[in-house]
Amino acid sequence: QKEVEQNSGPLSVPEGAIASLNCTYSDRGSQSFFWYRQYSGKSPELIMFIYSNGDKEDGRFTAQLNKASQYVSLLIRDSQPSDSATYLCAVKNSGGSNYKLTFGKGTLLTVNP
Amino acid sequence: DAGVIQSPRHEVTEMGQEVTLRCKPISGHNSLFWYRQTMMRGLELLIYFNNNVPIDDSGMPEDRFSAKMPNASFSTLKIQPSEPRDSAVYFCASSYSSPDTQYFGPGTRLTVL
Repeated sequence: QKEVEQNSGPLSVPEGAIASLNCTYSDRGSQSFFWYRQYSGKSPELIMFIYSNGDKEDGRFTAQLNKASQYVSLLIRDSQPSDSATYLCAVKNSGGSNYKLTFGKGTLLTVNP
Repeated sequence: DAGVIQSPRHEVTEMGQEVTLRCKPISGHNSLFWYRQTMMRGLELLIYFNNNVPIDDSGMPEDRFSAKMPNASFSTLKIQPSEPRDSAVYFCASSYSSPDTQYFGPGTRLTVL
């Protein structure tokens, strides 16, 4: 059973701070990693994906990947109250079920004004 | 594009009743996914269609659940008979060719009394 683990939170940060969200995964063959944002009562929305080790930046968001450690993170710089949401880490399965994403249960982020 | 469309948005029914959830994927997308989200289990893949053909239904909980995709524009998820433990939010998502960028519908919140 492929697993994706996230700290459920809540993670509380003040406005303007850096929020750091972490995720570990069990499928060592996975090659593609995704971060989804889900506001309360809404559907998941893709905000970042990363395929290669290292950092990938998109605006205030930076995804970091370390395949050796099976670890993915998402940094949100200059956090805003509108960033308050649950962040889901998703990992694309390797092998025969590579159409499938395995999702973590999410980390609830609260940005306090 | 209107995005993925799901109906109904909310469904309240009594145990033993048949429930049918509907999904219209984004035009041109050839992959369709049905997910179920609960607090306990997070987001779980129920079934995956590619080019209208069911590829993986290993996530369907039991025989009470069935799904169809009669054409590229429409899919249904049916629960018969429904049970209180089926209460959850059901999402439909679509993508083109791969699961890398899945677009989620708004979801159907199902409550079985």
